[in-house]
Amino acid sequence: DADVTQTPRNRITKTGKRIMLECSQTKGHDRMYWYRQDPGLGLRLIYYSFDVKDINKGEISDGYSVSRQAQAKFSLSLESAIPNQTALYFCATSGVGNNEQFFGPGTRLTVL
Amino acid sequence: DAKTTQPTSMDCAEGRAANLPCNHSTISGNEYVYWYRQIHSQGPQYIIHGLKNNETNEMASLIITEDRKSSTLILPHATLRDTAVYYCIARRVGSARQLTFGSGTQLTVLP
Repeated sequence: DADVTQTPRNRITKTGKRIMLECSQTKGHDRMYWYRQDPGLGLRLIYYSFDVKDINKGEISDGYSVSRQAQAKFSLSLESAIPNQTALYFCATSGVGNNEQFFGPGTRLTVL
Repeated sequence: DAKTTQPTSMDCAEGRAANLPCNHSTISGNEYVYWYRQIHSQGPQYIIHGLKNNETNEMASLIITEDRKSSTLILPHATLRDTAVYYCIARRVGSARQLTFGSGTQLTVLP
């Protein structure tokens, strides 16, 4: 079984809709991250959480919100989706004090 | 994090060693060199990291020059499944906020 799972894997939605992307991990890591990737570009950090009570904005948090429901779960919400949020979204986890981040398989989101 | 420079693309014949270079001339003493790869549209995958000694694991070897200004990732027997974009990153331990992947090297393993 995969250590980091994301649901859904693909989603098509319309402008203005609220969307939630979910991430679960079985690695026992405290740190979790949400990134987005646009074609031909690197990953950009949206939000990160170092533990259940810790939430931090990343480079591009506008238009997004997150919820850390438990150590193993970190959800990303688009409050009112817009077309330029069409992208590949990745969740990642890491242990404390190391830079080995483990990524999920990604969610391909299309906003029409 | 120190800036890293990698070639845009490389080809390698299947079964041969793939040697991927990375320059990090401004790396500081407490920054490690990390390598990740991303196979098309999949999540990035951690490969290996090192500080100043050469490292080897089941996936690859990492050779870091004595002055630490450059390094080489070696895939000893490349397969078609190793075709991916490879990223070299210099980071301090504990600096786990964001991974800056840059543009990386597109490695194409040819049959």
